[in-house]
Amino acid sequence: GENVEQHPSTLSVQEGDSAVIKCTYSDSASNYFPWYKQELGKGPQLIIDIRSNVGEKKDQRIAVTLNKTAKHFSLHITETQPEDSAVYFCAASKTGNQFYFGTGTSLTVIP
Amino acid sequence: GAVVSQHPSWVICKSGTSVKIECRSLDFQATTMFWYRQFPKQSLMLMATSNEGSKATYEQGVEKDKFLINHASLTLSTLTVTSAHPEDSSFYICSNMGAGTQYFGPGTRLLVL
Repeated sequence: GENVEQHPSTLSVQEGDSAVIKCTYSDSASNYFPWYKQELGKGPQLIIDIRSNVGEKKDQRIAVTLNKTAKHFSLHITETQPEDSAVYFCAASKTGNQFYFGTGTSLTVIP
Repeated sequence: GAVVSQHPSWVICKSGTSVKIECRSLDFQATTMFWYRQFPKQSLMLMATSNEGSKATYEQGVEKDKFLINHASLTLSTLTVTSAHPEDSSFYICSNMGAGTQYFGPGTRLLVL
């Protein structure tokens, strides 16, 4: 089956700096890659996603890049703010049903 | 995105009792919903896939008689933790599929004393 690895497990950045979280996947047939943000005590919220026919997608301060050849994708957050502090999960999906999640990255933005 | 609600948001119960958690798809009909369990500082663990009008599909290692799932309508799936024990204490999260992606509910925190 699919195996998704996520790094780093924890990340601290100064407010205003950029943050990058990376994920790798094993199944080359995976074609959908969402990113979720989970605040303490809440359910994960979809923040951005990318499909395998696209190499990059951007939404304001958030961007995701996908390298199908290397089987890795990354989340980029620019101009970080304290409210960006949360746990971020990547996921990979082949059928759109079974999602395989990474182990999460705890991001702390230091004011 | 899709809106998913869960009830209750948190529950405390005595060991041996059963607890029912409701998951509602508020803005579209969901033939498939998912139930996850999350321990502190860990990732989401898929417990089962809930299919409307049919039996749920459980992941390996998840006791189907312990975690009863009912998906009787296109907007409601329920998870019942039967004869709960302290080790069942966890954060339970449901999700539905909309436009090819999963949207999660706010979660239910269960504490079994």
